Amino acid sequence: EIVMTQSPATLSVSPGERATLSCRASQSITSNLGWYQQKPGQAPRLLIYGASTRATGIPARFSGSGSGTEFTLTISSLQSEDFAVYYCRQYYDWPLTFGGGTKVEIK
Amino acid sequence: EVQLVESGGGLVQPGGSLRLSCAASGFTFSNYYMIWVRQAPGKGLVWVSYISGDGASIRYADSVQGRFSVSRDNAKNSLYLQMNSLRVDDTAVYYCATYTWTDRNFDYWGQGTLVTVSS
Repeated sequence: EIVMTQSPATLSVSPGERATLSCRASQSITSNLGWYQQKPGQAPRLLIYGASTRATGIPARFSGSGSGTEFTLTISSLQSEDFAVYYCRQYYDWPLTFGGGTKVEIK
Repeated sequence: EVQLVESGGGLVQPGGSLRLSCAASGFTFSNYYMIWVRQAPGKGLVWVSYISGDGASIRYADSVQGRFSVSRDNAKNSLYLQMNSLRVDDTAVYYCATYTWTDRNFDYWGQGTLVTVSS
């Protein structure tokens, strides 16, 4: 099983600042990675797929990068609606596995 | 508009059974793999099972293998998860979601249904 590790667990950021979230895979997953946003009481929403492609309707302030085992999600200027939990997920192999999540909270 | 609506959750005693349903609309259901993902209260996301579009290919997470059974009825655009021998640690919100290799942007989730296993 491919283990996905996210850091940090919690990120305190002020509105308008940049947020950088990390995700590491226990083995190479090439670019088979997605990023999800989840708000309380809601289902996860796809932000990024293929490690760097924004999903439909996702604002340009969200960007993804990386390949192999190291990945990054960057939110260039945090808006109030961006405070949420973010998960990475690999789909290189079964079982699909998710990272433990990074909570982005208001500083 | 793509919609996935789960139902069937509730409170069940340890050792009991429950059947979840997921009603799909807005896309050609039979063309897509479907997955179940669960989330225990305050915890992260965990993949549970997948089923291919024709139902011929099925796989489960080790934690539910032998206890859960996934199926689908393409004529009814519905996905199911039969959960037997439920344990306290199966308590979670269960989501159904689409899954495809050909268009990773096609990624839709239901709102989830809560399963609580408790005596």
